[in-house]
Amino acid sequence: DGGITQSPKYLFRKEGQNVTLSCEQNLNHDAMYWYRQDPGQGLRLIYYSQIVNDFQKGDIAEGYSVSREKKESFPLTVTSAQKNPTAFYLCASSLQGGRVEKLFFGSGTQLSVL
Amino acid sequence: GENVEQHPSTLSVQEGDSAVIKCTYSDSASNYFPWYKQELGKRPQLIIDIRSNVGEKKDQRIAVTLNKTAKHFSLHITETQPEDSAVYFCAASSWNQFYFGTGTSLTVIP
Repeated sequence: DGGITQSPKYLFRKEGQNVTLSCEQNLNHDAMYWYRQDPGQGLRLIYYSQIVNDFQKGDIAEGYSVSREKKESFPLTVTSAQKNPTAFYLCASSLQGGRVEKLFFGSGTQLSVL
Repeated sequence: GENVEQHPSTLSVQEGDSAVIKCTYSDSASNYFPWYKQELGKRPQLIIDIRSNVGEKKDQRIAVTLNKTAKHFSLHITETQPEDSAVYFCAASSWNQFYFGTGTSLTVIP
């Protein structure tokens, strides 16, 4: 399955609740990414991290937070500040080298609001 | 930042015909252009990619062409089959940031 595991597959959020999406990879990749996918809008970058203990905002970071305490793990928290969180969330990873390397995706988490 | 535009948004072809999807990008620093296939509810799967030092790449029924001067690249699928039906995304990347097109929903009619 590409060595990137996302959990859970489905997640429901109540009003005012923070929820955390898990992403783990065993590919020894340096870079990890979170994308949000809405119907007809492609993939939009939320956050990315190129090294442990460092991460940068993407195009739609508001209402989200991340951490990168271990190379293998890059969890995403959807906070109550994100007013429209319903979407398919994809985690991805790639090697960091002297050139751009292939991007591999996890199987995704579908987040819905109750 | 980079802006990737993809056309068409939907495409229907008869089985056995060819399909072409086109993308343009804005940042001349982009040097890596992957294409992904995504089936409903599944993860995007890399199907072919091309780097900026190459003009064309082929893998069986799939080919990608790149025109750096015009900043556009295209996916060509020949002899289409029903299992080619999916959403296809193009992307442009430099320095490990990836920017995606909005996707093309391809339907192959048996």
